[in-house]
Amino acid sequence: AQSVTQLGSHVSVSEGALVLLRCNYSSSVPPYLFWYVQYPNQGLQLLLKYTTGATLVKGINGFEAEFKKSETSFHLTKPSAHMSDAAEYFCAVSGEGNGGSQGNLIFGKGTKLSVKP
Amino acid sequence: DGGITQSPKYLFRKEGQNVTLSCEQNLNHDAMYWYRQDPGQGLRLIYYSQIVNDFQKGDIAEGYSVSREKKESFPLTVTSAQKNPTAFYLCASQRVPTPNQPQHFGDGTRLSIL
Repeated sequence: AQSVTQLGSHVSVSEGALVLLRCNYSSSVPPYLFWYVQYPNQGLQLLLKYTTGATLVKGINGFEAEFKKSETSFHLTKPSAHMSDAAEYFCAVSGEGNGGSQGNLIFGKGTKLSVKP
Repeated sequence: DGGITQSPKYLFRKEGQNVTLSCEQNLNHDAMYWYRQDPGQGLRLIYYSQIVNDFQKGDIAEGYSVSREKKESFPLTVTSAQKNPTAFYLCASQRVPTPNQPQHFGDGTRLSIL
């Protein structure tokens, strides 16, 4: 079965510093990978996705992620943090027919990002 | 604008009461999902539906029920059998239930016990 591990439930950075949020996955088939962001009391918003092709994926709000098959990783980065980036971030994987449906996502437990002024 | 509408935003349940959470989408998506979110636990799948008049249990279906009578609507009922219903509930839709399609989320309903 597929799984996702997000290293670090809380990450704190200073405004202007590099943001690095870690995601490792386990999958017996080529995975499809997603990053979502959640602001307080709101739903999840898609940041970016990896399906096939280029392994460096660019998303919204200046975020990008690189799919590394050899490391089973899909870490999320942003060169310079902004106060508005403070939120919770979720990594998710699909492709293995989780729970009986090809469309089902398996989510990590999330990483809360704090940005200090 | 197309999107997913969840209502109400906040809901309170009394002991022994069933409550229904609404989820409507105007994206013409085939698949819809219900998740439960608890602090530090990520999202857990309650039920999903790939097509009208069909739905399947997810990982934590006990104490919940759903229906999918219309393509755009996927209401979730939290029954009195669900002993710990306090959580944030998220509804999502997906154009077609394939692994390359992202899911799109509503803004959630927060359910609390009175």
